[in-house]
Amino acid sequence: DAKTTQPPSMDCAEGRAANLPCNHSTISGNEYVYWYRQIHSQGPQYIIHGLKNNETNEMASLIITEDRKSSTLILPHATLRDTAVYYCIVGWNGQNFVFGPGTRLSVLP
Amino acid sequence: DSGVTQTPKHLITATGQRVTLRCSPRSGDLSVYWYQQSLDQGLQFLIQYYNGEERAKGNILERFSAQQFPDLHSELNLSSLELGDSALYFCASSGQGRARTDTQYFGPGTRLTVL
Repeated sequence: DAKTTQPPSMDCAEGRAANLPCNHSTISGNEYVYWYRQIHSQGPQYIIHGLKNNETNEMASLIITEDRKSSTLILPHATLRDTAVYYCIVGWNGQNFVFGPGTRLSVLP
Repeated sequence: DSGVTQTPKHLITATGQRVTLRCSPRSGDLSVYWYQQSLDQGLQFLIQYYNGEERAKGNILERFSAQQFPDLHSELNLSSLELGDSALYFCASSGQGRARTDTQYFGPGTRLTVL
C-alpha cells in the first residue's frame, strides 16, 4: 500500500497557483518526499523531492511541515500543460517507490 | 527527455505468446526498475536490478522475468501472455542508490496489447 494520501482530484484556474497536498504521517526519518507527474500515458516525470527543508526548482516548490507528516507541492503559475496526475511518494535514495492513485489536477482556462 | 529509452513503443501480440521489452538507462545509472501500469491498478513496481543483480522484487508474476546486462541495459520478458497483461510497461533508472539526491527517471514506456 502507498504510504501517502492525496485528494483524488483538484481544479485550478490557469495562471493561478496550484497547491497539491499530501499526507505521509508514517514517514520515517531517512525517507524523502518525492513528487512526480504523469501526463496522459507518458512516463512519470520527476518534479522535485526533499527531506525536511523547503525546496524550489524551475518547475515547482515543495513545502514540508515541520513534523514531516504532510507536504504541499506548489505550481506557482499553472498552465494548461500542467494538467496531469500528480503522485506524492515517500522513499529513500530513490528506491522503494510505491505509487498511489495520485491527484488528478485539471487546469481550467 | 529523461534519458531513459524503451523499445518498442507499441507491441501487439496474441495470448500465449512471449515478448521482450528493452530498456536503456540514463548514462551512468546503475539501477533499473520495471513498472506495470494497467487501467485498474495504477503503477505497480515489478522488479529492480542494480549493476546486473536483482535487488528488489515487487508484484512480478512467475511468467515474467527480467535481467540486466553488463552494458546495464535491461530486458523484461513476458511469457504465456494473457489478456490481463495488456498494460503500459515503464522502465526507470537511478544512480547508485547511495546518494540522498538519487531519484528515478522514467522512460516513455511500452504499450503492450494482448489480443
